Amino acid sequence: AQSVTQPDIHITVSEGASLELRCNYSYGATPYLFWYVQSPGQGLQLLLKYFSGDTLVQGIKGFEAEFKRSQSSFNLRKPSVHWSDAAEYFCAVAKRVGGGADGLTFGKGTHLIIQP
Amino acid sequence: KAGVTQTPRYLIKTRGQQVTLSCSPISGHRSVSWYQQTPGQGLQFLFEYFSETQRNKGNFPGRFSGRQFSNSRSEMNVSTLELGDSALYLCASSLSPGGNQPQHFGDGTRLSIL
Repeated sequence: AQSVTQPDIHITVSEGASLELRCNYSYGATPYLFWYVQSPGQGLQLLLKYFSGDTLVQGIKGFEAEFKRSQSSFNLRKPSVHWSDAAEYFCAVAKRVGGGADGLTFGKGTHLIIQP
Repeated sequence: KAGVTQTPRYLIKTRGQQVTLSCSPISGHRSVSWYQQTPGQGLQFLFEYFSETQRNKGNFPGRFSGRQFSNSRSEMNVSTLELGDSALYLCASSLSPGGNQPQHFGDGTRLSIL
């Protein structure tokens, strides 16, 4: 069964500092990869996605992510965080073969805290 | 374009009751998926509907069911509610099924079981 691991439950970063959130997946073939963000009391917003091609993908709000096949990783980065980036971040995968079976599989999430 | 709309936003029920949650997808989106979010289990896939047919189902008991109407709106039903059903239920819509179709989420329905 496919799985997604986000090793960091909480991360604290100073405002203006750079950010990297880690994501590793376990799956027989490269799945479709996503990063979502969830603010308190709200649903999930799609930040970016990787389907194929360039392994560095750009998303909204200044986020980017790099797919590394050899490490089965899809880490999220931002050069300079803002206080409004404080939220829960989820990495997710979807099967590439067989269509949308089983929906999205999510990691447990990383809670990002921004220090002033 | 309006986003995914879920109603109601909050619900309080007691054990043994049943509940129906509603989801209106983004206009033009024909696929609707449901997820359960709890602190312990995280986000888990419930089921997916497309063209009024359930295409996939997650590992949940038969008490959890759903349906989709011809206008793509979807409802999910939970019968014989248990304390463990307390969760945020999220609906997501996409243009069509398939892992390469980004899913757009609503703000969820917070269900509390007393």
